[in-house]
Amino acid sequence: KAGVTQTPRYLIKTRGQQVTLSCSPISGHRSVSWYQQTPGQGLQFLFEYFSETQRNKGNFPGRFSGRQFSNSRSEMNVSTLELGDSALYLCASSAFVTGPETQYFGPGTRLLVL
Amino acid sequence: KNQVEQSPQSLIILEGKNCTLQCNYTVSPFSNLRWYKQDTGRGPVSLTIMTFSENTKSNGRYTATLDADTKQSSLHITASQLSDSASYICVVSARGAGNNRKLIWGLGTSLAVNP
Repeated sequence: KAGVTQTPRYLIKTRGQQVTLSCSPISGHRSVSWYQQTPGQGLQFLFEYFSETQRNKGNFPGRFSGRQFSNSRSEMNVSTLELGDSALYLCASSAFVTGPETQYFGPGTRLLVL
Repeated sequence: KNQVEQSPQSLIILEGKNCTLQCNYTVSPFSNLRWYKQDTGRGPVSLTIMTFSENTKSNGRYTATLDADTKQSSLHITASQLSDSASYICVVSARGAGNNRKLIWGLGTSLAVNP
């Protein structure tokens, strides 16, 4: 079974631009979560989508948005990029079950804002 | 406030030695606790998941323990290998209404295994 894939793997943008990152979950997984990881802050939760609906949301400004499609693929968008948005953006998928579920992470998209 | 604290922040050990990483949490209501391993430049990989009723869980040379009374967990690595060099992250899941849950991430312990 293929793992979680993220595209692109690396991205360089300038301040003020916008960016869209893509995530394809493991086949059959309906939950997709997005995280921002920076050296000093660790993993910061952005949002989670399940069946095309945002189920949870972290404490990020409105410049960060996301969506999920009917095939469970997800995109996140960051508008008006700031230098502080430079980070590794990770996507994780999980199969929705009633018990504790394991999240499977993709390799991440490394974004550099100049 | 829900928090997960890990110690030490970083650790250097020699190949073949054992080590123990600590995780203290103040998360309520508790659902489960997970340990992840993250290699540099890669996404985290799940090592173990423990619920309230589980005291210990092993995954090869990795053994996690959970003391729900003191709200502490540890990850013990036996006979370390160079490939164990990574960041180890403790994550606690807080139970919410319905099927909702919130994950609280620790900052991780950076482990370096030297030959």
